[in-house]
Amino acid sequence: QSVLTQPPSVSAAPGQRVTISCSGSSSNIGTNYVSWYQQLPGAAPKLLIYDNYLRPSGIPDRFSGSKSGTSATLGITGLQTGDEADYYCGTWDRSLSGHVVFGGGTKLTVL
Amino acid sequence: QVQLQESGPGLVKPSETLSLTCAVSDYSISSNYYWGWIRLSPGKGLEWIGSIYHSGSTRYNPSLKSRVTISVDTSKSQFSLKLSSVTAADTAVYYCARHVGYTDSSRFDWWGQGTLVTVSS
Repeated sequence: QSVLTQPPSVSAAPGQRVTISCSGSSSNIGTNYVSWYQQLPGAAPKLLIYDNYLRPSGIPDRFSGSKSGTSATLGITGLQTGDEADYYCGTWDRSLSGHVVFGGGTKLTVL
Repeated sequence: QVQLQESGPGLVKPSETLSLTCAVSDYSISSNYYWGWIRLSPGKGLEWIGSIYHSGSTRYNPSLKSRVTISVDTSKSQFSLKLSSVTAADTAVYYCARHVGYTDSSRFDWWGQGTLVTVSS
């Protein structure tokens, strides 16, 4: 059971927009920045978004992030078949002396 | 670009200790960042195991703290993970990564390719 809650799966057609939610609490998302990771099949996770909405160099602006209260959202526009992957949210949790927490992951299927 | 490479046994017997090493190249392990271990278990999400600073300061996942030891060897530019008393539940792909921001802005920006560790007799 992951501390952060994500939908197990989402799907959309190529070219469409999809959002992935990440729900937490006041001890994690509510008071800290959220990051998002993309894990393509057979690859290591890759940082997509950090500090709620910032993109590392090389990440296209089709990927966006937002946060409101104790929830965060990853948005992907102009879906491509190459976006089919698992997506994870993560943040710091201030409980128990502080630790990193992740969501259970969301499988994105591009139909 | 930061290069990280995990190494260690791919098979560990139940009740024994899992030991992995992460070699860091093209970047100084003594820079102002933490270095972390994360695992991905079948059917589960990512799980942070712990992180270490070049000074040796460590932070561990409370759920694993009693079994985890992370150490660093700056002379070899590597850091290591030991997880004791393993069970089948510890079967996972283990990743090492650079841990940026550390607390409220915590994220992992460079990752190793990962290594599968299976716990089985």
